[in-house]
Amino acid sequence: KQEVTQIPAALSVPEGENLVLNCSFTDSAIYNLQWFRQDPGKGLTSLLLIQSSQREQTSGRLNASLDKSSGRSTLYIAASQPGDSATYLCAAHFGNEKLTFGTGTRLTIIP
Amino acid sequence: DAGVTQSPTHLIKTRGQQVTLRCSPISGHKSVSWYQQVLGQGPQFIFQYYEKEERGRGNFPDRFSARQFPNYSSELNVNALLLGDSALYLCASSFSRGNTEAFFGQGTRLTVV
Repeated sequence: KQEVTQIPAALSVPEGENLVLNCSFTDSAIYNLQWFRQDPGKGLTSLLLIQSSQREQTSGRLNASLDKSSGRSTLYIAASQPGDSATYLCAAHFGNEKLTFGTGTRLTIIP
Repeated sequence: DAGVTQSPTHLIKTRGQQVTLRCSPISGHKSVSWYQQVLGQGPQFIFQYYEKEERGRGNFPDRFSARQFPNYSSELNVNALLLGDSALYLCASSFSRGNTEAFFGQGTRLTVV
């Protein structure tokens, strides 16, 4: 069964610190992995897309990595800010028509 | 350019009623997918439509149906609403089917009472 897991479910970090969010998946035959941000009651904002042939992608203070052999992806956020507080979701394409989502990590940046 | 737009933003329905949710994809995108997100969970796949044909269906009952129009907009219909259908319904737009980047709308919050 193709599954995506995110641990921990919640994380609190002081402002200014660097942090890493984790995502694991069960099928190494992954096509791509996408990271999203979701604010309470809102839709999903796409942050980064990593194709299976790539090892990492960067956008501003965000860097996402993909390791198919270990079934892991990480989202690194540098110099965290209170505005980074949100739920972060990772989702994988396993070669079918759908995205398979994790349950998310709720991030709180403490001023 | 406008992003993915969904309407309505909020909706309250009574058990047993029917509901129609609407989605307009990003201009030039031909694929629309629907997801259901209940509180505290990740979104669950319901349908994907590409070039007006159903390309994928998730593990949802037949009460759920959808269609895509010639302008690539889409509707999701849910019949005989149950309390458990209360959720945030999300529409995703992508340029083509399968493994391209997905862009989501703001969702429709459906409450069934």
